[in-house]
Amino acid sequence: DAGITQSPRHKVTETGTPVTLRCHQTENHRYMYWYRQDPGHGLRLIHYSYGVKDTDKGEVSDGYSVSRSKTEDFLLTLESATSSQTSVYFCAISPTGNTEAFFGQGTRLTVV
Amino acid sequence: DQQVKQNSPSLSVQEGRISILNCDYTNSMFDYFLWYKKYPAEGPTFLISISSIKDKNEDGRFTVFLNKSAKHLSLHIVPSQPGDSAVYFCAARPSSNTGKLIFGQGTTLQVKP
Repeated sequence: DAGITQSPRHKVTETGTPVTLRCHQTENHRYMYWYRQDPGHGLRLIHYSYGVKDTDKGEVSDGYSVSRSKTEDFLLTLESATSSQTSVYFCAISPTGNTEAFFGQGTRLTVV
Repeated sequence: DQQVKQNSPSLSVQEGRISILNCDYTNSMFDYFLWYKKYPAEGPTFLISISSIKDKNEDGRFTVFLNKSAKHLSLHIVPSQPGDSAVYFCAARPSSNTGKLIFGQGTTLQVKP
């Protein structure tokens, strides 16, 4: 398995609170991604990074921000969590922009 | 605007038969296509891919077919096994090499013994 660790694995938070999810990799891959998985929607890209401090928006970026200050870590922040952000979040990494990506185990986030 | 579409939410086949999972895309800039498999409570795992310069790629029991004119790809699993029961996602990358990777909604495959 690719060296990807997501933390926390499970979190319950209250509406309006900030939440940060962490993705840590040991593969030195250039590209990192955050997806959310919801029934009927599959995997939707939130944000991705193509290098340190280089990030771009995905399909569903509203309400989310990201930061990548070093190669191995990609942080996803929900500035003010809402119930619609209850989901399973997956981080993925890829060595290049035109090969497969490898996924972490996921973080289940519940906003109450 | 769903750029990668899997219009069949579920598929059920008998063990030993062929499973065919379909995927359509709308963006003609996509030039690399992938299939992933996902079990419950696990992350998706890469299965097979195909570049737009090919129309077929095989890996054991798995074959992916690409029809660029129709903007359609399919995954064939022959023979299907109960362990293949999972959610299958197709995904696509644009040729701009931005690294963007867009997924479809997924198809749940059930292989009955």
